[in-house]
Amino acid sequence: NAGVTQTPKFQVLKTGQSMTLQCAQDMNHNSMYWYRQDPGMGLRLIYYSASEGTTDKGEVPNGYNVSRLNKREFSLRLESAAPSQTSVYFCASSGNLAIAKNIQYFGAGTRLSVL
Amino acid sequence: AQSVSQHNHHVILSEAASLELGCNYSYGGTVNLFWYVQYPGQHLQLLLKYFSGDPLVKGIKGFEAEFIKSKFSFNLRKPSVQWSDTAEYFCAVTSFSGGYNKLIFGAGTRLAVHP
Repeated sequence: NAGVTQTPKFQVLKTGQSMTLQCAQDMNHNSMYWYRQDPGMGLRLIYYSASEGTTDKGEVPNGYNVSRLNKREFSLRLESAAPSQTSVYFCASSGNLAIAKNIQYFGAGTRLSVL
Repeated sequence: AQSVSQHNHHVILSEAASLELGCNYSYGGTVNLFWYVQYPGQHLQLLLKYFSGDPLVKGIKGFEAEFIKSKFSFNLRKPSVQWSDTAEYFCAVTSFSGGYNKLIFGAGTRLAVHP
């Protein structure tokens, strides 16, 4: 049981390049999330998907787009990378974000550097 | 806005020392509380959670946390740390906002345990 799988683990981009971070979960979860982790700031929510077919902005959505491809997969796209997007990106999933006792499970992260 | 404060950003201990990491949140409603741990190079793992009931919660690897509602606190404790406890620890709180249970993270505490 892999849980939440993210690819790639590491990526270096030049300013202006685009890339897509992939995330897949095998727990049959309805809800999925993308966070970024910056030193001294904890994790901040970029986008989330309550269920297949829906996506919504989180706390820091600017510069990102997402696609909930199917129930398993939730991708994060940087159309034109900027140095401010250098961060560690985490994908997470949970059973149902509308339920109070909602536990999120995290992937291993993608470390992205934008030069 | 809801927020989570972790008092120490870096903690250095010797093996067998006792650990207490502080966490305070600002939210007046019903909360669910979590501690996540991130070991070097690994994904975030759930250490323990509080939903309701006994305010003293026991988690994995000998960790426990106490919910003190009057102090808006959820401090993490371990009587005797080991070198393998070296990791970053995140306190998180859910609050219901915009139709879903949003997970709000503290900035994290980086723990280094020396043999």
